[in-house]
Amino acid sequence: EVQLVQSGAEVKKPGESLRISCKGSGYNFPNYWIAWVRQMPGKGLEWMGFIYPADSDTRYSPSFEGQVTMSVDKSIHTAYLQWNSLQASDTAMYYCAREDEVLRPDDMKERGGLGYWGQGSLVTVSA
Amino acid sequence: DIQMTQSPSTLSASVGDRVTITCRASQSMSKWLAWYQQKPGKAPKLLIYEASTLRSGVPLRFSGSGSGTEFTLTISSLQPDDFATYYCQQYLSYSLTFGGGTKVEIK
Repeated sequence: EVQLVQSGAEVKKPGESLRISCKGSGYNFPNYWIAWVRQMPGKGLEWMGFIYPADSDTRYSPSFEGQVTMSVDKSIHTAYLQWNSLQASDTAMYYCAREDEVLRPDDMKERGGLGYWGQGSLVTVSA
Repeated sequence: DIQMTQSPSTLSASVGDRVTITCRASQSMSKWLAWYQQKPGKAPKLLIYEASTLRSGVPLRFSGSGSGTEFTLTISSLQPDDFATYYCQQYLSYSLTFGGGTKVEIK
């Protein structure tokens, strides 16, 4: 069974650093893209970026480039999202999600949406 | 960046109603569109990918259609479990965009 298990809720002060995690199991972790998605209180979903664990290829949304760092330790099947200096506006639920692959009859693979999600990590930043 | 515009933002409907949600893209993306359902306090759930392919286990009352820049999600007969917020998402490239969401409320 594919599972993504995220680290727990965090309460931090502005200016502090933080790293949250997302551990994958039940599948070939290195070979599937992992996305990070932000959801601010009462708001919609925002894609933050992708990381490919096999080679750490990373794609950031322009809105989040320079604000966060995505990394991965493929030896322990874990992806990370890191902030160096949190702001109150970073208060949100953060989800990791795995992108599905669809295998075609000719053995070509196509992308299939974010099929598996972690349970979310709530980050609260308050003085 | 590709912009995704969903409408309506809120929809009031009754059990048994046919419901349609629309998603428009700022540029053509062929079939690279997914739909998600999110209930309060829960992670989103993938319903449809490639614009019209139902993910395994998703009830057949859900369907997706469209290509290019206009897409729709239809629920043929709304059930109590379907009251939730729905999001479209484009994945033309490795730069994703979500629509703003449509909240389906009980009328």
